[in-house]
Amino acid sequence: EAGVAQSPRYKIIEKRQSVAFWCNPISGHATLYWYQQILGQGPKLLIQFQNNGVVDDSQLPKDRFSAERLKGVDSTLKIQPAKLEDSAVYLCASSLFAGAASNTEAFFGQGTRLTVV
Amino acid sequence: AQSVSQHNHHVILSEAASLELGCNYSYGGTVNLFWYVQYPGQHLQLLLKYFSGDPLVKGIKGFEAEFIKSKFSFNLRKPSVQWSDTAEYFCAGEDMRFGAGTRLTVKP
Repeated sequence: EAGVAQSPRYKIIEKRQSVAFWCNPISGHATLYWYQQILGQGPKLLIQFQNNGVVDDSQLPKDRFSAERLKGVDSTLKIQPAKLEDSAVYLCASSLFAGAASNTEAFFGQGTRLTVV
Repeated sequence: AQSVSQHNHHVILSEAASLELGCNYSYGGTVNLFWYVQYPGQHLQLLLKYFSGDPLVKGIKGFEAEFIKSKFSFNLRKPSVQWSDTAEYFCAGEDMRFGAGTRLTVKP
């Protein structure tokens, strides 16, 4: 089966510019996650969607980050304006379901490496 | 809130040595736990998962983990590591929040 697709793979922008990342989850997966992984740290959950609804965005810096999942399939994550500390790998993952009764794991994409200069 | 923590930041072993990486969780009730691995240049992939039943879980590539409820732990083990096990290892809870990770370096 096809995996989680992300684009672009790499992006370099200047601070204060905007940037968008795209994710196409595995077909049929209801749950989609976005993570930020700073070098040397574990993935930090930014936002979780269940179909096209937001389940958890408690760690999303909403003053500059936004995400949407139109029609419950593809998703985009946007940063506007970017700061130097946003340099990281942005990971997208998907799973069939989520929560205690799901009994499923998340599948990850390759990520987008963002460098803010 | 659910959380997992990993205490070993960087572990260096020689080939054939035994491995144990710690993961502790801090929530009660139903417990679902995962171990993921990230090989250099590759995406995160599942090693093993615990949902219920036998507390000793077998995963891919000879890894296993034991869920010990009394210790709030879900440690990852492998009896004999190989150079190809060099990677970063992450523990995650059912809310898909990850620990800080442990970098494993296996010397040939």
